[in-house]
Amino acid sequence: QKEVEQDPGPLSVPEGAIVSLNCTYSNSAFQYFMWYRQYSRKGPELLMYTYSSGNKEDGRFTAQVDKSSKYISLFIRDSQPSDSATYLCAMRGSARQLTFGSGTQLTVLP
Amino acid sequence: DTAVSQTPKYLVTQMGNDKSIKCEQNLGHDTMYWYKQDSKKFLKIMFSYNNKELIINETVPNRFSPKSPDKAHLNLHINSLELGDSAVYFCASSQAGGHEQYFGPGTRLTVT
Repeated sequence: QKEVEQDPGPLSVPEGAIVSLNCTYSNSAFQYFMWYRQYSRKGPELLMYTYSSGNKEDGRFTAQVDKSSKYISLFIRDSQPSDSATYLCAMRGSARQLTFGSGTQLTVLP
Repeated sequence: DTAVSQTPKYLVTQMGNDKSIKCEQNLGHDTMYWYKQDSKKFLKIMFSYNNKELIINETVPNRFSPKSPDKAHLNLHINSLELGDSAVYFCASSQAGGHEQYFGPGTRLTVT
């Protein structure tokens, strides 16, 4: 079993839809939770970062962490074609190294 | 003004060859990383390097060796390339203890 499991997708939604992306993890030492966005043939870029449990909102994006369930989510409101990318969850404990999920490929159709 | 740059962008080579990938960051970060991304987009840490402290992922074959001439550079040398080494290799950097890692554009390695 992988330390981080991510819904594989691919996911295809119409423009304006609400998108929900999810990851579960098994390592209770993870404290920092991140979502990266990766466009085709580009490097990942940090989208959201959350420490411990709770919600964080940034524009159309909301990250949620439920440490009791070992479950994290990223919500995208009013999705746009420019949101089409692969979304990778990542997490870490006290060490600097990140453990990534396998990514969910999202396509937002105009 | 590129934050993390890698060269080359594409690398096609034959089995058994030795090759190097170079990475440079101009962000003033003191920790650098190498990741391997396979064809299914799974991104896996290979090494992290901070102030001459090297942390190696135990699953990385010893044919792979990182070399850091200074804080701004972390190169990856690969000996005796194998077909299974074909992947995209990403360099990243962060501040010590920082959560935000900045990734380079990747080097697409194809071993034939």
